[in-house]
Amino acid sequence: GQNIDQPTEMTATEGAIVQINCTYQTSGFNGLFWYQQHAGEAPTFLSYNVLDGLEEKGRFSSFLSRSKGYSYLLLKELQMKDSASYLCAVMDSNYQLIWGAGTKLIIKP
Amino acid sequence: GAVVSQHPSWVICKSGTSVKIECRSLDFQATTMFWYRQFPKQSLMLMATSNEGSKATYEQGVEKDKFLINHASLTLSTLTVTSAHPEDSSFYICSARSLSGSQETQYFGPGTRLLVL
Repeated sequence: GQNIDQPTEMTATEGAIVQINCTYQTSGFNGLFWYQQHAGEAPTFLSYNVLDGLEEKGRFSSFLSRSKGYSYLLLKELQMKDSASYLCAVMDSNYQLIWGAGTKLIIKP
Repeated sequence: GAVVSQHPSWVICKSGTSVKIECRSLDFQATTMFWYRQFPKQSLMLMATSNEGSKATYEQGVEKDKFLINHASLTLSTLTVTSAHPEDSSFYICSARSLSGSQETQYFGPGTRLLVL
């Protein structure tokens, strides 16, 4: 079966760095996505990885290792507005997105 | 980035009525759009995949006669919840597939919150 695993909840301090991990087992792989979702709102696109390595985009970076079925989202210089759920999703061989349950990130002052 | 709109953003209706939700890709053509449903504190659940000019593909357990999907053009897909009941109250989100070069991304609409009384 297809499976995406990510921690349910994480807590971090404002100004710090946090890494949200995602492991996956899917039928085929056509890229891994990270989305941010604030409570009561639709998800917004953060990053896309299809090749191994680190993609940096401002305060956010995303890493992929296809051989390990592993990705992480790294958030630096955390701000209170970063409190949200972070969703990991993998596009399978049919170009369907398989979603993780999301990681709720709580930022404390 | 690509923009997807949804209308309406909020709907309150009586049980038994039908509700139509529109999803538009504003600055790109989307041959494929997706409809999701999300209950509070739960993950997104894919309901159906909508392809322009053809019938939608529904996920297992989703009633196609209850959730009517029409992908009338490359920029518009509609979801009609027929004979809505309180258990249909949920957050409905559409997304549109955008292909840029070799990268395929889904962009989400802002969502429609449906409350059936």
